[in-house]
Amino acid sequence: EVQLLDSGGGLVQPGGSLRLSCAASGFTFSSYAMSWVRQAPGKGLEWVSGISGSGGSTYYADSVKGRFTISRDNSKNTLYLQMNSLTAEDTALYFCAKNPRARSGGYFDYWGQGTLVTVSS
Amino acid sequence: EIVLTQSPATLSLSPGERATLSCRASQSVSSYLAWYQQRPGQAPRLLIYDASNRATGIPARFSGSGSGTDFTLTVSSLEPEDFAVYYCQQHSNWPPITFGQGTRLEIK
Repeated sequence: EVQLLDSGGGLVQPGGSLRLSCAASGFTFSSYAMSWVRQAPGKGLEWVSGISGSGGSTYYADSVKGRFTISRDNSKNTLYLQMNSLTAEDTALYFCAKNPRARSGGYFDYWGQGTLVTVSS
Repeated sequence: EIVLTQSPATLSLSPGERATLSCRASQSVSSYLAWYQQRPGQAPRLLIYDASNRATGIPARFSGSGSGTDFTLTVSSLEPEDFAVYYCQQHSNWPPITFGQGTRLEIK
């Protein structure tokens, strides 16, 4: 059974940093691209970043480019999102999501439960 | 960036009725469109991929159609658990991958 367990969220001050993690199980992690998708309170879904199965290709939304870094450790079956220079606009529930193939892009066939990031002083 | 516009914003129907949800793209996405269901307090769940293919475990009452810029998600006979928010998503021209703003399906 595919499982994605998001963690690392919390309350952080504007300008601060946070690292999210997504522990994967139930599938061959390195064979699939992964993404982070966020949802601000009461709002819709926004794709944030994606990474290929090997980790060699990464992609970002313009809203986070230069501030967020996606990475993965295939030996630990874990996806990460390093978030720096956080602003109130980054407040959201962050989901990790699995792609159906190694190449990035595509739809998302499995989702984590989400981890809440709140940026506030 | 491809913009997806969903309509209506809210759809009020009764159990047993047929629901028709629309998603329109600002430019052609071929068939690279997916639909998701999100119940309150839950993560999104994949319903339809590549415009018309049901995901694993999705009931046959859910169907998708369309190509190019106009897409439809149909629920043939609504069950109580179908009342939720539905999102479309394109992956034709990315980054960025984009989602529609959602359609809320509520009980009338």
